[in-house]
Amino acid sequence: DAGVIQSPRHEVTEMGQEVTLRCKPISGHDYLFWYRQTMMRGLELLIYFNNNVPIDDSGMPEDRFSAKMPNASFSTLKIQPSEPRDSAVYFCASSPQTGATGELFFGEGSRLTVL
Amino acid sequence: AQSVAQPEDQVNVAEGNPLTVKCTYSVSGNPYLFWYVQYPNRGLQFLLKYITGDNLVKGSYGFEAEFNKSQTSFHLKKPSALVSDSALYFCAVRDIEAAGANNLFFGTGTRLTVIP
Repeated sequence: DAGVIQSPRHEVTEMGQEVTLRCKPISGHDYLFWYRQTMMRGLELLIYFNNNVPIDDSGMPEDRFSAKMPNASFSTLKIQPSEPRDSAVYFCASSPQTGATGELFFGEGSRLTVL
Repeated sequence: AQSVAQPEDQVNVAEGNPLTVKCTYSVSGNPYLFWYVQYPNRGLQFLLKYITGDNLVKGSYGFEAEFNKSQTSFHLKKPSALVSDSALYFCAVRDIEAAGANNLFFGTGTRLTVIP
């Protein structure tokens, strides 16, 4: 199994530009999570999906952030317009349908730098 | 509300010595507890979890953790540290009786450095 695949691994953009991060979860996993990691705030959950349906998006910072999961094998996190404070590593993780007992499998992350 | 505390930002230990990385948690119901490790420029990797049963849980790479309900702790341990264990370690908790029970709350991480 290839694991959770994220792209791009690195993104450098200028303030105001649109950023799209992509994630392919592990096949058969029903849960997909987007986390953001910064030195100041650690790991924060942004949103998670179950069977492609958003369940909890209370961690999405503001309207500039949006996430979609059009099918079981693909999700996007979009930031529009981007700001320097959005600079962080964004992780996607997936989990099988084992409910609360299941561990998360993380991708390698997308490091975003907004200038 | 659920939360996790890792009181030490940094832990240094000599190679071959036992190591402990501390974690305490706060939940309103029963906890599910997890440990993850993160190597530089990599994603988090699952080490072990406590769901129910034996309070001593064994995981990957020789790590183990002990669930202590009275002290609300879940410390990570290893009898003999290796230089390759140097990494960032995260404790995480789920409160199975809370809304959004599938969400994992992570601690702030502890950087472990094993000195040769």
